[in-house]
Amino acid sequence: GAGVSQSPSNKVTEKGKDVELRCDPISGHTALYWYRQRLGQGLEFLIYFQGNSAPDKSGLPSDRFSAERTGESVSTLTIQRTQQEDSAVYLCASSSLTGGTGELFFGEGSRLTVL
Amino acid sequence: AQTVTQSQPEMSVQEAETVTLSCTYDTSESDYYLFWYKQPPSRQMILVIRQEAYKQQNATENRFSVNFQKAAKSFSLKISDSQLGDAAMYFCAYYSGGSNYKLTFGKGTLLTVNP
Repeated sequence: GAGVSQSPSNKVTEKGKDVELRCDPISGHTALYWYRQRLGQGLEFLIYFQGNSAPDKSGLPSDRFSAERTGESVSTLTIQRTQQEDSAVYLCASSSLTGGTGELFFGEGSRLTVL
Repeated sequence: AQTVTQSQPEMSVQEAETVTLSCTYDTSESDYYLFWYKQPPSRQMILVIRQEAYKQQNATENRFSVNFQKAAKSFSLKISDSQLGDAAMYFCAYYSGGSNYKLTFGKGTLLTVNP
């Protein structure tokens, strides 16, 4: 596609429910990132995928968070047993190069609200 | 670990005037990249300008320019002839490249443009 696409745009869920967020990167981009942005805060790195290499999961805050990516296409971020502190905007970004100049192309994010 | 600090949580400017947003960073690397990203209310992060640390010349993109002071580890963004569409959250980001592919973001500066 023309840009990074994320869905849903907004998600309201009850505490304890599982949620799945989707990211469709720019076609041909091998690198994919998930960031979390809490209200009034900067971006917090969650996970990085590069081609078929093992993902860097070092930013995932707990084992309730997991992410998958099929090849160099769609990625899903799953949050199990959601907690109120999971409320945030989850941003996905893709890049055409490993390393390179570091320019990331972002989606519009998925706003998650846990009641 | 690299850190990026934006000391101005909020700034305001009159339309057509000039404003400067501050950013400092901490690193032991000699070669790296610095970025300013803009996040309007639509939430999509957009790259404004990029600076390679090995370049002494300050980057410029139309009304946007940077003042890169490598020794002082300072990277400020100047917006000239401010327009209403410039109103957004601005994030400074650092990238060291190579095997470290994560961007480190500051907490952002909310810019308001007054008509």
